[in-house]
Amino acid sequence: ETGVTQTPRHLVMGMTNKKSLKCEQHLGHNAMYWYKQSAKKPLELMFVYNFKEQTENNSVPSRFSPECPNSSHLFLHLHTLQPEDSALYLCASSSNRGQETQYFGPGTRLLVL
Amino acid sequence: QKEVEQNSGPLSVPEGAIASLNCTYSDRVSQSFFWYRQYSGKSPELIMSIYSNGDKEDGRFTAQLNKASQYVSLLIRDSQPSDSATYLCAVVSGTYKYIFGTGTRLKVLA
Repeated sequence: ETGVTQTPRHLVMGMTNKKSLKCEQHLGHNAMYWYKQSAKKPLELMFVYNFKEQTENNSVPSRFSPECPNSSHLFLHLHTLQPEDSALYLCASSSNRGQETQYFGPGTRLLVL
Repeated sequence: QKEVEQNSGPLSVPEGAIASLNCTYSDRVSQSFFWYRQYSGKSPELIMSIYSNGDKEDGRFTAQLNKASQYVSLLIRDSQPSDSATYLCAVVSGTYKYIFGTGTRLKVLA
């Protein structure tokens, strides 16, 4: 699926580093999402943006900071992460009606040392 | 706490058999339901969406929804080894409120 792209695909960072994940969608959608997927756990919805406005923030720690400059781009800025933040971070997009199919990017595999 | 429950498996079926995957959800007002397939190390890809009670067929896949009993299922006919993956059930319980189950791992034995 090339409709949603994510970079980088793999990231190793120390607990004091600052890094950013990038997502771009080419599907003409207006809603974008960040999910965290850890082993043995369901996908956890972190943030939702609709037309660049944040509509959901599911009690995510402040060390994760999202940014949505336009409807096609979404960033997740990371700083002072913990080892338990190691996971697969998935970006998704959908139409703006909020109950439609989500299309996922390939994900960023993050390892925090 | 709104939940989506799936048996984690693994569910093992022989090649050519029917695989039956089930999902229950707790929020009665849920309106949209999805099945995603996720291969190891990959991201989820949509298999089926279903919005109203009854069956919906697409090729070898059939989704079944029963809102009164709060369950949704996925049948895979003529299972192939390439169907071996984790199948995620997703339920939308309000605008932008997508809730995923932990997934059922399916193994199709050649």
